[in-house]
Amino acid sequence: KQEVTQIPAALSVPEGENLVLNCSFTDSAIYNLQWFRQDPGKGLTSLLLIQSSQREQTSGRLNASLDKSSGRSTLYIAASQPGDSATYLCAVQANQAGTALIFGKGTTLSVSS
Amino acid sequence: GAVVSQHPSRVICKSGTSVKIECRSLDFQATTMFWYRQFPKKSLMLMATSNEGSKATYEQGVEKDKFLINHASLTLSTLTVTSAHPEDSSFYICSASAVGITDTQYFGPGTRLTVL
Repeated sequence: KQEVTQIPAALSVPEGENLVLNCSFTDSAIYNLQWFRQDPGKGLTSLLLIQSSQREQTSGRLNASLDKSSGRSTLYIAASQPGDSATYLCAVQANQAGTALIFGKGTTLSVSS
Repeated sequence: GAVVSQHPSRVICKSGTSVKIECRSLDFQATTMFWYRQFPKKSLMLMATSNEGSKATYEQGVEKDKFLINHASLTLSTLTVTSAHPEDSSFYICSASAVGITDTQYFGPGTRLTVL
């Protein structure tokens, strides 16, 4: 059974710092991996989606990498800002399209000004 | 981009009543819709997978007679929480996969259910 783990559970950094969020999954047979942002009491905002054949995806200050063989992904946030404060969720989709996502518990990030 | 709406966004009800939550894909047809539940400070857990015109597939531990799912069209799925109890209080989120574009799931904004 696929399990997704995110470390750390919470992270506090001063504004301007670069940071890395970690995600690991137990079954490397995934279709894709996705990073989401969730603000308190709100829904999900998709940040980056990495197909199983890809190694990384970039969007602005965000860079996500995927090492499928080792079951790991990282989300790198450059020059963090207070507006980046949120919970970041990692989710994998099983080895075929159209299946549900399996989520980690998330990393709650707090960026202080 | 594809948009998924949920209604209501927030509902408070008395114990024993039933609550219906709607999930709509506004500008695309969804072959499959998923219902997730998120308890405070916990991650999203899949409750059921809903395909248009067929019965939903429920995850282990989710009571199908308590959480009724109907996917009557390619743009609408409903989740009815029957005889709700305080332990059903949670954040319910749906997602939809578009016909022919199944790589991406589009998430609704969620429904906060509070059962008194």
